[in-house]
Amino acid sequence: DAGITQSPRHKVTETGTPVTLRCHQTENHRYMYWYRQDPGHGLRLIHYSYGVKDTDKGEVSDGYSVSRSKTEDFLLTLESATSSQTSVYFCAISYRGVRTDTQYFGPGTRLTVL
Amino acid sequence: AQKITQTQPGMFVQEKEAVTLDCTYDTSDQSYGLFWYKQPSSGEMIFLIYQGSYDEQNATEGRYSLNFQKARKSANLVISASQLGDSAMYFCAMREGGGNAGNMLTFGGGTRLMVKP
Repeated sequence: DAGITQSPRHKVTETGTPVTLRCHQTENHRYMYWYRQDPGHGLRLIHYSYGVKDTDKGEVSDGYSVSRSKTEDFLLTLESATSSQTSVYFCAISYRGVRTDTQYFGPGTRLTVL
Repeated sequence: AQKITQTQPGMFVQEKEAVTLDCTYDTSDQSYGLFWYKQPSSGEMIFLIYQGSYDEQNATEGRYSLNFQKARKSANLVISASQLGDSAMYFCAMREGGGNAGNMLTFGGGTRLMVKP
């Protein structure tokens, strides 16, 4: 158990509304990530963070913003949700395992944009 | 071009038999890492096994082993003695560059494995 929680776990919203997803970790890990999972695409990186207030874009960052004001929380915001953002969102943290830095994932948030 | 390719969208295997899930990758980096994750129907992503590009031996973790063929750029997952609980989606992923945890993972599209009793 990597000590990662995501909230909410499920959300249904309407097109054009803002949405914020929260990722919370309890073990002070420096690196945190947001991915989205869509059928046929595996997981794709949206944004990641390498410390408080330090974030960078991933492969599919358009339409998303992130913030990390404290180590334990990494927030993903959809400023104006669109139907194409209907997806399952996973947060991950990375830390040194026995052999290498490994990413461990939270339980996911299922977001539906109507 | 796809960086990670998993060509088998779905596979069946008989319980207690071994199964190989294919993964090919594309990178120009000399240092990279390959990971496999399992996603059961409950949805969580579970890390299974890792292979570094400089590792001389194939990685093994219990019933999981990674058949790493560097020249062919393949990193196939082998599950021995399949169990019903192995039924899940399996994702291959690659991290390019060195051991910096900031390097992102690129995932393949996944293979759905179904174990028959």
